[in-house]
Amino acid sequence: SQQGEEDPQALSIQEGENATMNCSYKTSINNLQWYRQNSGRGLVHLILIRSNEREKHSGRLRVTLDTSKKSSSLLITASRAADTASYFCATDQGSNYKLTFGKGTLLTVNP
Amino acid sequence: DADVTQTPRNRITKTGKRIMLECSQTKGHDRMYWYRQDPGLGLRLIYYSFDVKDINKGEISDGYSVSRQAQAKFSLSLESAIPNQTALYFCATSDSTSGRENEQFFGPGTRLTVL
Repeated sequence: SQQGEEDPQALSIQEGENATMNCSYKTSINNLQWYRQNSGRGLVHLILIRSNEREKHSGRLRVTLDTSKKSSSLLITASRAADTASYFCATDQGSNYKLTFGKGTLLTVNP
Repeated sequence: DADVTQTPRNRITKTGKRIMLECSQTKGHDRMYWYRQDPGLGLRLIYYSFDVKDINKGEISDGYSVSRQAQAKFSLSLESAIPNQTALYFCATSDSTSGRENEQFFGPGTRLTVL
């Protein structure tokens, strides 16, 4: 069963705009990670936020985590056409060191 | 990531054939994983291994088997391929000693088509 569910399933914006993607999950976690996948390629790790953290930044990425609502958001600021990809959240529930991935958000940034 | 390689990259086979997908890594990681990706379903874990002597089933292991021949190699086999095993297959690794909390590194994927 899917632990994480991303919302929206697809997002289309103009270059320069901000993109926000959300992830909801069901059980308690050790950490939540965001990955990026360019079409047909392997996933690339973007950022990790621990369960005791509320916000984290990396370059143009900002991730928030609300454990009371079991949700996370990924914000990409000043988007570029090269940000076009699918974005997945993955939860680490800690008991067995596996990750459970959501179904992803397809982001299209139009030039 | 060139440190995790998968062979073949593309494979077309027929129903009933035995297929092996191979994964090799030069990252020195102890943990390795096999996932499949289907459109609209995200990634689902097939098998994972935390060291050479450790093999664990994931959420969709039926119809698959694995072999961890060495720390650097993890193979996935489909004993008798069926059309609904058509998917994109990914190998991934992680390092339990890095302190990076299960950050996973993915191979480029194998696109498998079963006719």
